[in-house]
Amino acid sequence: QLQLQESGPGLVKPSETLSLTCTVSGGSISSSSYYWGWIRQPPGKGLEWIGSISYSGSTYYNPSLKSRVTISVDTSKNQLSLRLSSVTAADTAVYYCARQGTGNIVYYFDYWGQGTLVTVSS
Amino acid sequence: EIVLTQSPATLSLSPGERATLSCGASQSVSSSYLAWYQQKPGLAPRLLIYEASSRATGIPDRFSGSGSGTDFTLTISRLEPEDFAVYYCQQYGSSPWTFGQGTKVEIK
Repeated sequence: QLQLQESGPGLVKPSETLSLTCTVSGGSISSSSYYWGWIRQPPGKGLEWIGSISYSGSTYYNPSLKSRVTISVDTSKNQLSLRLSSVTAADTAVYYCARQGTGNIVYYFDYWGQGTLVTVSS
Repeated sequence: EIVLTQSPATLSLSPGERATLSCGASQSVSSSYLAWYQQKPGLAPRLLIYEASSRATGIPDRFSGSGSGTDFTLTISRLEPEDFAVYYCQQYGSSPWTFGQGTKVEIK
């Protein structure tokens, strides 16, 4: 059974860089059949897609966050990572990683991690 | 960017009743590449429907999706106690992939 697990600091100071890792188990991140994405959800609010990456490093980013986001993949560790720079309180959210199938397009999110809450505060 | 608008924001119903949730898109969603997710408090979203009308693995047949173009619907034929949750639509036909703001189905 595929499992995704987010990890990283739960508290980040304003203007600093948020860094999270998602570890994939029960399956290989190196499959050409999938992309791997990050989605966030501010407390009490809706879902926002941040960006996605393939095993080979091809990326899609949300234009609203693109200037501050870097997503990378480490196939040797079966992990993907998220870096979000210059954070403010508006970046406080639960951050999820999730899997997307791919063929002629990149598809829906079919497996999700449990999410990790990141609070931006001094 | 395709903006998805869900209605109503809140749906108050009793167990056994039928729920009809709407998702409207600001422009046509390519090839009906629209998904629906269910989210319960403290948990990650769960995929229910993809390609507008295909049920994901393990999803009960009381959940059904329909629609095309700019208008999509999620129907729960008879609400079970475990169905009270927030539901989101998401389009994946064009990047940036976007979500609706959600519809909360609450117990009346």
